[in-house]
Amino acid sequence: GENVEQHPSTLSVQEGDSAVIKCTYSDSASNYFPWYKQELGKRPQLIIDIRSNVGEKKDQRIAVTLNKTAKHFSLHITETQPEDSAVYFCAAPLNFGNEKLTFGTGTRLTIIP
Amino acid sequence: DAGVTQSPTHLIKTRGQQVTLRCSPKSGHDTVSWYQQALGQGPQFIFQYYEEEERQRGNFPDRFSGHQFPNYSSELNVNALLLGDSALYLCASSFGGTGANVLTFGAGSRLTVL
Repeated sequence: GENVEQHPSTLSVQEGDSAVIKCTYSDSASNYFPWYKQELGKRPQLIIDIRSNVGEKKDQRIAVTLNKTAKHFSLHITETQPEDSAVYFCAAPLNFGNEKLTFGTGTRLTIIP
Repeated sequence: DAGVTQSPTHLIKTRGQQVTLRCSPKSGHDTVSWYQQALGQGPQFIFQYYEEEERQRGNFPDRFSGHQFPNYSSELNVNALLLGDSALYLCASSFGGTGANVLTFGAGSRLTVL
C-alpha cells in the first residue's frame, strides 16, 4: 500500500554531533521529497526539499540525500545545536500525478547540551 | 505577508455536533490542502482544493467536507463529530500546478471533542 516509513522514532545526540533520519517510500514514481520541522505547539515548517533529478541537496548545516533505486531519502544535520530539537517529518507524493503528500510518522530529535 | 492563517485556534465540541474551520492561504497561493494531525502522529491528508473544486481526497469519511471560495480561502466542515476527530487540523497552501505539493502550513485549529 501507499506508505512512507521513517526511522528512528526518537533520536538523542550530543550538541555538536551529527543526526541522520531516514525515510523509505513505496511509489517508485514519486518525484518530490520534503522535510518538515515541527517545534512543540507550532506549525510544520519546510526546512529542505529535493526533487528526483538530483541525488543530494545542502543548505548550511542541513542536507538531504536521495537514492531512487532503493527508494529512500535521508536528512542529515551536522554540528547540531539545541534549537535543532524538534519533531522532523519526511513526506512524499505517492501515486504519481497525485499532489497529496503522505507524511512519515515523525522523529523526535533531542539535542543534549 | 501574513502567511497561512487559520481560525479558530482552539475549540471544544461534543459528540454529534458539527464544526467549521477556516483558512486563508498565503498571498499568491491558489491551492489549499487540509491535514489532520493526531497527537504524536504525522499529518494525514484529508483533501485538496484548487479552482474551487476538490482535486484530491484522502481516506476520510463523507462527514468531512470542504469548500474553496473565489478568493482561494477555504473551509473544512466536519459533521457528526466523534471522539476520534479530536486532533490538530492543519491547513496548507501552495501554488497550483507543479508546485502544488510545496506546502506552507498554518498554525492549525486544535479541536477537542468531548
